[in-house]
Amino acid sequence: NAGVTQTPKFQVLKTGQSMTLQCAQDMNHEYMSWYRQDPGMGLRLIHYSVGAGITDQGEVPNGYNVSRSTTEDFPLRLLSAAPSQTSVYFCASSRAGSYNEQFFGPGTRLTVL
Amino acid sequence: AQTVTQSQPEMSVQEAETVTLSCTYDTSESDYYLFWYKQPPSRQMILVIRQEAYKQQNATENRFSVNFQKAAKSFSLKISDSQLGDAAMYFCAYRSFGSGGYNKLIFGAGTRLAVHP
Repeated sequence: NAGVTQTPKFQVLKTGQSMTLQCAQDMNHEYMSWYRQDPGMGLRLIHYSVGAGITDQGEVPNGYNVSRSTTEDFPLRLLSAAPSQTSVYFCASSRAGSYNEQFFGPGTRLTVL
Repeated sequence: AQTVTQSQPEMSVQEAETVTLSCTYDTSESDYYLFWYKQPPSRQMILVIRQEAYKQQNATENRFSVNFQKAAKSFSLKISDSQLGDAAMYFCAYRSFGSGGYNKLIFGAGTRLAVHP
């Protein structure tokens, strides 16, 4: 049981490049979400999904796309990277319901030059 | 909209002593959940403790306990017998109870805790 996995752990991009951050979970969780963590601001929700084929925007969705074709996978796409997207990105999953613990992946540190 | 405020950017404690981290929140809801997460230097987010707003009894997990004051909208974390491994960033978070569907976690800015031997 690997929990929530994310790849890559580190990435450097140039402005305008695109890339996909991968996230997978093996706990059969219904809910998955992406957060970004910036200094002094805690974690902010980018996009989330309540099940395969269903996604929605969070607090800071601009510049990011998501899709969820399977229960296990929830990739985050940066369409045209900007320096403002330099951050640490976390994927999380949980069972449905607000009480249930969100399990976080190890994070991806992204730098956009 | 709900907000979470952690007014202590940094705290320090001596090993074996007790420390309290503060958290206040703003909401108009009556039912919700509150969480404390720990983020050590490894960056992994770890759930420390959670509290249901409808429960008057304060949650406890081993050396970690909370002081939940619903009327004051305060949710502090007490760490007893502090250990070197407690050194981390601690985040307070709020989540609506909801009647179905997804409710996002709303995080505070965090408190960095240093533990001195």
